[in-house]
Amino acid sequence: QVVLTQSPSVSAPPGASVKLTCTLNSGHSSYAIAWHQQQPERGPRYLMTVDSDGSHNKGDGIPDRFSGSSSGTERYLTISSLQSEDEADYYCQTWGPDIWVFGGGTKLAVL
Amino acid sequence: EVQLVQSRAEVKKPGESLEISCQGSGYRFTSYWIGWVRQMPGKDLEWMGIIYPHDSDTRYNPSFEGQVTISADTSISTAYLQWDSLRASDTAMYYCARPQGMATLNWIDLWGQGTLVTVSS
Repeated sequence: QVVLTQSPSVSAPPGASVKLTCTLNSGHSSYAIAWHQQQPERGPRYLMTVDSDGSHNKGDGIPDRFSGSSSGTERYLTISSLQSEDEADYYCQTWGPDIWVFGGGTKLAVL
Repeated sequence: EVQLVQSRAEVKKPGESLEISCQGSGYRFTSYWIGWVRQMPGKDLEWMGIIYPHDSDTRYNPSFEGQVTISADTSISTAYLQWDSLRASDTAMYYCARPQGMATLNWIDLWGQGTLVTVSS
């Protein structure tokens, strides 16, 4: 069974860059994942997929400040030039036969 | 526009039944799985189950099997999440979501706006 692990929280000042991590459990290093953003009091929004080779594919309208990468069992979401509206919860998601799996989410504070 | 539109917020008492809905538009409804995701207050996203409207093939997260029923009506491009007897612990925001590919269960690329269910005596 695939499991996704995320750090609970991270903070950074406006204008900085931040790299969020989603870790797949052992034996699942070939899995792709998707990143979703959930701003306060709003529903989730799809950001991008990140494959095991580091390639990423963004959803419509996602700014260039958002990018994805990968190393081993880790999948990353990098947000550069942080803005106040980037303050949100970020969830990674993967899939398997007949299931969806979510990570526990990372709360990003921009302060 | 491709979108999922969910039914309005509900306030119910413990023991009551409830059905909430999710209508797809702008795409071929029968060709994509639709799933339901729970988010309890202040908590993470939890996958509940998913249905393929074309043939009503349904898969449940074992944690939710027997607790809810997922169905779909292809004539009105709508998926449903149903409870027979609500509990206070069912209080949550419920999202429907669609995976990216036709007839395949992969990453979510479309979310509904959410339906808040409050269960209180």
